[in-house]
Amino acid sequence: QKEVEQDPGPLSVPEGAIVSLNCTYSNSAFQYFMWYRQYSRKGPELLMYTYSSGNKEDGRFTAQVDKSSKYISLFIRDSQPSDSATYLCAMRIPTGTASKLTFGTGTRLQVTL
Amino acid sequence: GAVVSQHPSWVICKSGTSVKIECRSLDFQATTMFWYRQFPKQSLMLMATSNEGSKATYEQGVEKDKFLINHASLTLSTLTVTSAHPEDSSFYICSASTPGTGELFFGEGSRLTVL
Repeated sequence: QKEVEQDPGPLSVPEGAIVSLNCTYSNSAFQYFMWYRQYSRKGPELLMYTYSSGNKEDGRFTAQVDKSSKYISLFIRDSQPSDSATYLCAMRIPTGTASKLTFGTGTRLQVTL
Repeated sequence: GAVVSQHPSWVICKSGTSVKIECRSLDFQATTMFWYRQFPKQSLMLMATSNEGSKATYEQGVEKDKFLINHASLTLSTLTVTSAHPEDSSFYICSASTPGTGELFFGEGSRLTVL
């Protein structure tokens, strides 16, 4: 079993839809959670960074963490074609500031007109 | 957010030659940088952790003599692919961790094609 599971998609939604992206994990030591967006042939871009259970909102994006269920989500409201990308969840244990991340496989999202 | 610059963004080389990729943190000092490799439609695979002023730590299965990493300063790490072969063709991405929060920012990636 992988430490981090993420549905690879592809996920296709119409413009304006609410998108829900999810990851589950098995290591209860993970305490820091991140979502990255990666456009084709580009490096990942940090979208959200959380370290506690609950919700964190930033514009159209909401990150949700449920440590009891080992489940994290990223919601995108009013999705736009420019949101079409691969979304990677990542997490790490709190052993200093430079500990390595464990990534999900990424979910490919396509927002259609 | 913090800026990490990677150069070159793409490179084509002949089999048997060596290629150097640079990773710079432009607006912060990074004592630790990470090098990843990504194949098409796959996630990032960590190759090594680069520590300023000391030897890199390589992940299992990564040949340290083939993928030379140097972290000479707090803002620069380099990855040299030595004696490159077509199977080394891939997308190489670096990242740097910001002091304090430990947020990880990525470079734009370098696409290597070995003919």
